[in-house]
Amino acid sequence: DSGVTQTPKHLITATGQRVTLRCSPRSGDLSVYWYQQSLDQGLQFLIQYYNGEERAKGNILERFSAQQFPDLHSELNLSSLELGDSALYFCASSWGGAIDGELFFGEGSRLTVL
Amino acid sequence: EDKVVQSPLSLVVHEGDTVTLNCSYEVTNFRSLLWYKQEKKAPTFLFMLTSSGIEKKSGRLSSILDKKELSSILNITATQTGDSAIYLCAVEAEYGNKLVFGAGTILRVKS
Repeated sequence: DSGVTQTPKHLITATGQRVTLRCSPRSGDLSVYWYQQSLDQGLQFLIQYYNGEERAKGNILERFSAQQFPDLHSELNLSSLELGDSALYFCASSWGGAIDGELFFGEGSRLTVL
Repeated sequence: EDKVVQSPLSLVVHEGDTVTLNCSYEVTNFRSLLWYKQEKKAPTFLFMLTSSGIEKKSGRLSSILDKKELSSILNITATQTGDSAIYLCAVEAEYGNKLVFGAGTILRVKS
C-alpha cells in the first residue's frame, strides 16, 4: 500500500459526459501528479500540483482540468468524454515540488467510455 | 520532444532464465532514471539511478545507467513466475517535475 488513495476504482460512462476522479496523496506529501495509461500510449504525464498550485503540465487535453485543494487532495475533471479517453488514470505523490526520487502511485481509476 | 524507448516490448522466458531489459532516452535536463514494476495496478518502485556506471542491486534484480550512451539496463537473474509483470523505465527530466515513461516491457515467466 503506497498510501495514495484514488476513487473511484472503476467508472463506466457514456461519450459526452463529465467525470471527476479524486486523489488523496500520502500523508505529508505536497505534490500530486496525474498520469494516464492507455494500452497504446503507456504512462503519459498529465499535470502536477504542488501545495495547491499548478507546477508542471504535460500532455493534458483542454477538456481535462485538475485542481488541488487546501487539504492537498486533488481532483481530475474530464469532460466531453470520448471513446479514446478510456484508460487507467493514476495519481502519484511526492513530498517536494520536484520528484527527487520515488513517486508513490495510487491504485488507479479505470475509466471506460462507451 | 522527450522520449524514452524500451526494448523488447515483450518477452517470454522460463523460470531460472536471466533476462536483460533495455531503456534508452532523449530528454531535456536529465536528472535521474527510475525503474518500476507494474503487476496488476500501481507501478511499484525498483531503482533510481543518477550516476553513470553505478550498479544498483536488490536481490536478483540489478540495474546500470550509461549516461554516455543515454541508456540503462535492468537485469533479472534466476527468474521466477512472480517476476511476470510490466517493467517501466522512466526518466526524470526538466526541473524535476516530470517523469517521462517508456511504453514498458511485458515479461512473462513460465514455470
